[in-house]
Amino acid sequence: AQKITQTQPGMFVQEKEAVTLDCTYDTSDQSYGLFWYKQPSSGEMIFLIYQGSYDEQNATEGRYSLNFQKARKSANLVISASQLGDSAMYFCAMREGYRNTGGFKTIFGAGTRLFVKA
Amino acid sequence: DTGVSQDPRHKITKRGQNVTFRCDPISEHNRLYWYRQTLGQGPEFLTYFQNEAQLEKSRLLSDRFSAERPKGSFSTLEIQRTEQGDSAMYLCASSPGASQGGNSPLHFGNGTRLTVT
Repeated sequence: AQKITQTQPGMFVQEKEAVTLDCTYDTSDQSYGLFWYKQPSSGEMIFLIYQGSYDEQNATEGRYSLNFQKARKSANLVISASQLGDSAMYFCAMREGYRNTGGFKTIFGAGTRLFVKA
Repeated sequence: DTGVSQDPRHKITKRGQNVTFRCDPISEHNRLYWYRQTLGQGPEFLTYFQNEAQLEKSRLLSDRFSAERPKGSFSTLEIQRTEQGDSAMYLCASSPGASQGGNSPLHFGNGTRLTVT
């Protein structure tokens, strides 16, 4: 069954340092996509970064990078040079490839709350 | 691109009443999703549509919940005989279909916060 696990309920990081948020997933599909979203206290969901299951290179978007280890089924988010504005909930999500219905859904992990200290 | 719009932003209702929420997706997106999120948790998948077809519904969703997307544009989510456990944020999201970039991210609305008293 499709599943996303985020084992860190909360993380602290000093401003300007890097932090890694863990995500492991479980799927029987060969084709899937992995996403990270940020949810500040204001509540909106903000897309950060995407990694496809067939992508050979780790995805990067500015200060965000995704450490994709397919054999271990992990897709950890690395935030470099943390800023106070990075304090938020972070969700890992997975979308499987096409099923018999021809469509697919996205499921989310429980999230990690990141606190950036000045 | 005006984004995903949800209405109302807040809804307070008494237990046992029916409520209906509306979601207007980004106009060129043919996939539409409903999620429920409680405080401190990740969004929980409820159901999704491709155009007007409801392709999947969570097994966790009771028969009191129903969703429609009659013309493949806006969608409604109805909860009948509300219970206090239904109190949550209900999020709608949309995305392009596979032919338009199947791995595009979800675009979320600001949600409808339901409080059942």
